[in-house]
Amino acid sequence: DTAVSQTPKYLVTQMGNDKSIKCEQNLGHDTMYWYKQDSKKFLKIMFSYNNKELIINETVPNRFSPKSPDKAHLNLHINSLELGDSAVYFCATARGYNVETQYFGPGTRLLVL
Amino acid sequence: AQSVTQLDSQVPVFEEAPVELRCNYSSSVSVYLFWYVQYPNQGLQLLLKYLSGSTLVKGINGFEAEFNKSQTSFHLRKPSVHISDTAEYFCAVSASITGTASKLTFGTGTRLQVTL
Repeated sequence: DTAVSQTPKYLVTQMGNDKSIKCEQNLGHDTMYWYKQDSKKFLKIMFSYNNKELIINETVPNRFSPKSPDKAHLNLHINSLELGDSAVYFCATARGYNVETQYFGPGTRLLVL
Repeated sequence: AQSVTQLDSQVPVFEEAPVELRCNYSSSVSVYLFWYVQYPNQGLQLLLKYLSGSTLVKGINGFEAEFNKSQTSFHLRKPSVHISDTAEYFCAVSASITGTASKLTFGTGTRLQVTL
């Protein structure tokens, strides 16, 4: 079983559309994250949830809205997609909110045309 | 706030040669340090981490790193690389403050290219 999974793996869409990407973990971890990796491979944290509560919210456009329906899932909804949203989005998990080791999913490659 | 600098964007090396990937960090508080590896079209995998204790940390796949507080460095080394080590390597830091949310700050990555 994959520890941290993301769907879809690839997403190609038009500017202005709304899309969601999903993350699921079976590690029993309490904390989940979303990271964005741009075309230059730079990774930056976007959000973090601990036990379904938002604990980290970096400077991200409010078109991005995370949702955690339960501890095992963290989804990312993006409204009015823009060209600059094209990136790889990684989900990660950790045992606790101040626990150091994070485990990453395989990524969702988003291309906005 | 923390920051990480990876001075080398690309490091070409021949197979079986030693390699060092450099990482320097900046922080006003104590930190945890990490190296992650990203193989093509995959997610990040933890190579090794420094939390406390011995400054020489051994990780998977024969990699090791040494924490140097005075030089604020955490360089990654391997004595003999293999073709399969070709990947992107990321150094990361998080503040070690009890009770605060752990947040990884990544460097810009170093592409290790191993050739025959």
